[in-house]
Amino acid sequence: DTAVSQTPKYLVTQMGNDKSIKCEQNLGHDTMYWYKQDSKKFLKIMFSYNNKELIINETVPNRFSPKSPDKAHLNLHINSLELGDSAVYFCASSQRVRTKNIQYFGAGTRLSVL
Amino acid sequence: ILNVEQSPQSLHVQEGDSTNFTCSFPSSNFYALHWYRWETAKSPEALFVMTLNGDEKKKGRISATLNTKEGYSYLYIKGSQPEDSATYLCAFLMEYGNKLVFGAGTILRVKS
Repeated sequence: DTAVSQTPKYLVTQMGNDKSIKCEQNLGHDTMYWYKQDSKKFLKIMFSYNNKELIINETVPNRFSPKSPDKAHLNLHINSLELGDSAVYFCASSQRVRTKNIQYFGAGTRLSVL
Repeated sequence: ILNVEQSPQSLHVQEGDSTNFTCSFPSSNFYALHWYRWETAKSPEALFVMTLNGDEKKKGRISATLNTKEGYSYLYIKGSQPEDSATYLCAFLMEYGNKLVFGAGTILRVKS
């Protein structure tokens, strides 16, 4: 009964393709996030949605587009994939105010662009 | 640019040793400081959320302290066990901010 689940776990694709990663949380949280783990293993925030509204939009290429159809889902679509997009992407959720933003993470999606 | 720094980068200790590591963060506009434990091939899990200067939190053999005036937090592990091997991340949340800024982590390896 996974709290934050993201699919797929592994994604291998060719340069130039478009791909999506899905994330769902069953914790009833109001905020969801996408993080990228870079080559130095830093976790860097990319996007955040609170109640379906975009509240964090860091400097990422506009080939990356998040979509939140409802509070429980936040998907990440990537257009025209490039070699540098290869990384592990983590979805997370939190109940922003009450818990001081404690993050609950998914298991990660390892994206490899060939 | 917000900077959250952790030291040391990695640590190798023997089973039974006690250890500690440091997280440094901006001392202005502080709201909260998080500690996470990240085991290999798993996802980060929250250990502590600390908000008040002088806060001290404890979970079993792991404890943490917070100094918001000088901008640092210590994580202590008493009597390290092999299952404590993980990366320990701290993350800073600014007042009126929405995003957590993570440090690079301290990798702990405990040898039996």
